[in-house]
Amino acid sequence: EPEVTQTPSHQVTQMGQEVILRCVPISNHLYFYWYRQILGQKVEFLVSFYNNEISEKSEIFDDQFSVERPDGSNFTLKIRSTKLEDSAMYFCASSDGTSRSNEQFFGPGTRLTVL
Amino acid sequence: SQQGEEDPQALSIQEGENATMNCSYKTSINNLQWYRQNSGRGLVHLILIRSNEREKHSGRLRVTLDTSKKSSSLLITASRAADTASYFCATNDRGSNLGRLYFGRGTQLTVWP
Repeated sequence: EPEVTQTPSHQVTQMGQEVILRCVPISNHLYFYWYRQILGQKVEFLVSFYNNEISEKSEIFDDQFSVERPDGSNFTLKIRSTKLEDSAMYFCASSDGTSRSNEQFFGPGTRLTVL
Repeated sequence: SQQGEEDPQALSIQEGENATMNCSYKTSINNLQWYRQNSGRGLVHLILIRSNEREKHSGRLRVTLDTSKKSSSLLITASRAADTASYFCATNDRGSNLGRLYFGRGTQLTVWP
């Protein structure tokens, strides 16, 4: 069964460093998302992406964040200068967008630890 | 805020018993989805119910939706120890067919063998 994959599974970085989190969405999906979950808190939406541009972003997704689909398979989230409060589990999701529903399939997540 | 809220926050039952988790939300929705998360792992999609549906089944799962009360319930029948996980409801705004999902805090279900 096709699935969303994410790398790395765990990333440790120093405050102020740039990180790139990578995702490979399901191959025929057209809509891509990033969410994050700070330990013990709700899963929060960051950004959605369609047709090579951002469709929607939350207030969390400030100038330090960017997304890119550099080729036909990868979808990346970059944090330019990490802060301690960026420590969280980051989930990528994708949706085929062909039905009325919005069934989003999530990857296993990347645990980001900012020291 | 659209975010759903699940209750109870934690539920502890014996294997074989049924588990019922509830979700409430605040505004009009397009659909509601339930996800499962094992500790420290990713989110697994369980079931989606559209706003014009009242009940849906998938294996041992039964989901109901009452849009007049803005609430949903997830019933797991004949629970197993492997059902131990956190369960989240997520809503999708009406008019935002492919937009963000709003998640609740989840119900931590523990099923004792």
